[in-house]
Amino acid sequence: SQKIEQNSEALNIQEGKTATLTCNYTNYSPAYLQWYRQDPGRGPVFLLLIRENEKEKRKERLKVTFDTTLKQSLFHITASQPADSATYLCARGTGFQKLVFGTGTRLLVSP
Amino acid sequence: GAGVSQSPRYKVAKRGQDVALRCDPISGHVSLFWYQQALGQGPEFLTYFQNEAQLDKSGLPSDRFFAERPEGSVSTLKIQRTQQEDSAVYLCASSQRLLRGLENTEAFFGQGTRLTVV
Repeated sequence: SQKIEQNSEALNIQEGKTATLTCNYTNYSPAYLQWYRQDPGRGPVFLLLIRENEKEKRKERLKVTFDTTLKQSLFHITASQPADSATYLCARGTGFQKLVFGTGTRLLVSP
Repeated sequence: GAGVSQSPRYKVAKRGQDVALRCDPISGHVSLFWYQQALGQGPEFLTYFQNEAQLDKSGLPSDRFFAERPEGSVSTLKIQRTQQEDSAVYLCASSQRLLRGLENTEAFFGQGTRLTVV
């Protein structure tokens, strides 16, 4: 099956450090990947989209990379803050915009 | 409206009861999606509408699940004879229509309806 895999273990880091989250895909080469943030009791919120022909995309403190050789996308948050604590979801789009999500990685930033 | 609105926010149903979950998408958004999210998991696709047309219902887990969007705006997800395994958060999302073959844009999600079947 065409899976999106994310580390299900929570990532704990200290405020000010860079958080790096991983998204791996198998059996498929997505044309693009999306990253979402989800807070408890809320729906996912879109953060970034990266196409397969883009190696890197940035938005403020966020950076996403896409390595088609490794079949992997990395999501970085620089100068992390406690307010960045949330679950981060990676998703690939298919056909008419249906999204296939990974399980998400929970990030906890400690002051 | 300002965002995607879902109601109710919480629903407790007795096993065997029918439920109806409502989604008000962002005004003007042609595409509407329903996802199911189990605890600790990512959202899983259920069904997709483009205007009033249901173009993909491949994710609906059984024939007890039915979705409609009769006028191309508000959508309802109905679950008949609910079972305990139906307990989950049901998310609705909408997005602007794009031509096929191009990348999609972001999907805007509602807060979800948490369904608990007892």
